[in-house]
Amino acid sequence: DVKVTQSSRYLVKRTGEKVFLECVQDMDHENMFWYRQDPGLGLRLIYFSYDVKMKEKGDIPEGYSVSREKKERFSLILESASTNQTSMYLCASIQRGRGTQYFGPGTRLLVL
Amino acid sequence: GENVEQHPSTLSVQEGDSAVIKCTYSDSASNYFPWYKQELGKRPQLIIDIRSNVGEKKDQRIAVTLNKTAKHFSLHITETQPEDSAVYFCAASSFSGNTPLVFGKGTRLSVIA
Repeated sequence: DVKVTQSSRYLVKRTGEKVFLECVQDMDHENMFWYRQDPGLGLRLIYFSYDVKMKEKGDIPEGYSVSREKKERFSLILESASTNQTSMYLCASIQRGRGTQYFGPGTRLLVL
Repeated sequence: GENVEQHPSTLSVQEGDSAVIKCTYSDSASNYFPWYKQELGKRPQLIIDIRSNVGEKKDQRIAVTLNKTAKHFSLHITETQPEDSAVYFCAASSFSGNTPLVFGKGTRLSVIA
């Protein structure tokens, strides 16, 4: 059974803080993704990675960066958190060529 | 790039009735169309998917149809039950997984008992 886990379910941070969100998958998936989910806007892609050390910008990368030092781990970094980054963040992974994408449980981030 | 439009944004049906959610996509190269269900407070989970080499796929009360010419696909839920209440997302991409899924904005389905 595929498992995608995220480091926190809920997080409260102050404006200007550096925030790290971590995602780990245990199925040796090559591709990993970070989305943010906001009411009425659906799932918007922030960044994705096809391999270790590789990263690609998604649709809304501004204000975010990512790190993929190990195949199983994909980190999302908010360099200087702002209130408009308050959102639900979802990580996902997929094995290339298999098609089925699996999501983590999500991190609900509140920036005050 | 790919753009996916989903309608309606909200849908209320009586228990036992059918529900239909429609999506259109823009990139004719897309060949993989999954549907995800997200219950309140939970992660999105795949419920059914279809590849462009078939026109319809069914799994118990859920079916998906695909019209490649018109670039639209639909989710059909028959004999709806209260536990079908959730947000449903359609998506499109290439099956290889080398291009990210592009999601619609979601449909909130409410099944009224």
